[in-house]
Amino acid sequence: KQEVTQIPAALSVPEGENLVLNCSFTDSAIYNLQWFRQDPGKGLTSLLLIQSSQREQTSGRLNASLDKSSGRSTLYIAASQPGDSATYLCAPYNQAGTALIFGKGTTLSVSS
Amino acid sequence: SQTIHQWPATLVQPVGSPLSLECTVEGTSNPNLYWYRQAAGRGLQLLFYSVGIGQISSEVPQNLSASRPQDRQFILSSKKLLLSDSGFYLCAWSRLRQGTYNEQFFGPGTRLTVL
Repeated sequence: KQEVTQIPAALSVPEGENLVLNCSFTDSAIYNLQWFRQDPGKGLTSLLLIQSSQREQTSGRLNASLDKSSGRSTLYIAASQPGDSATYLCAPYNQAGTALIFGKGTTLSVSS
Repeated sequence: SQTIHQWPATLVQPVGSPLSLECTVEGTSNPNLYWYRQAAGRGLQLLFYSVGIGQISSEVPQNLSASRPQDRQFILSSKKLLLSDSGFYLCAWSRLRQGTYNEQFFGPGTRLTVL
């Protein structure tokens, strides 16, 4: 059974810092992996989708990497801003490619 | 562009009462549809997914059920709610699996409190 762990559970940084959020998963035979952000009381916003054949994906200040062999993905946020404050969720697909398996997330707080 | 709607936004129900949550998607055809639940202190958990009208797969046995009466409509139901059904219910959609493109997009969610 796929299990997803995100470290750290919470992170506080000053504005402008570059930071890395970590995600590890137990079953390396994943389909694709998706990163989301969730604001308090809101739904999920898709940030990046990394296909199983890719090693990284970039969108603006965000860069996500995927290392299937080690069961890890990282989300790099450059020049953090207060608006980046949210919970970030990592979710690889199951082997059938039908369902996302979520970690509990990393709650990020960026202070101005 | 595609839009996903959920209603109601919030709901407070007594134990033992029925439940009906609705999700609709606009701007796409033949989507895969999903129901997830986010309980306090736990990660999101897939409850049901559907690849077409009347086709429902259940991931977790419980007192909830799902139906897909129309292509872009997905309904989550219960005949008798339990306290443990409280949580944040999220509907999501993705395009049919064509190649490897199956990014999931989520709705705004329904906050359910069972008292």
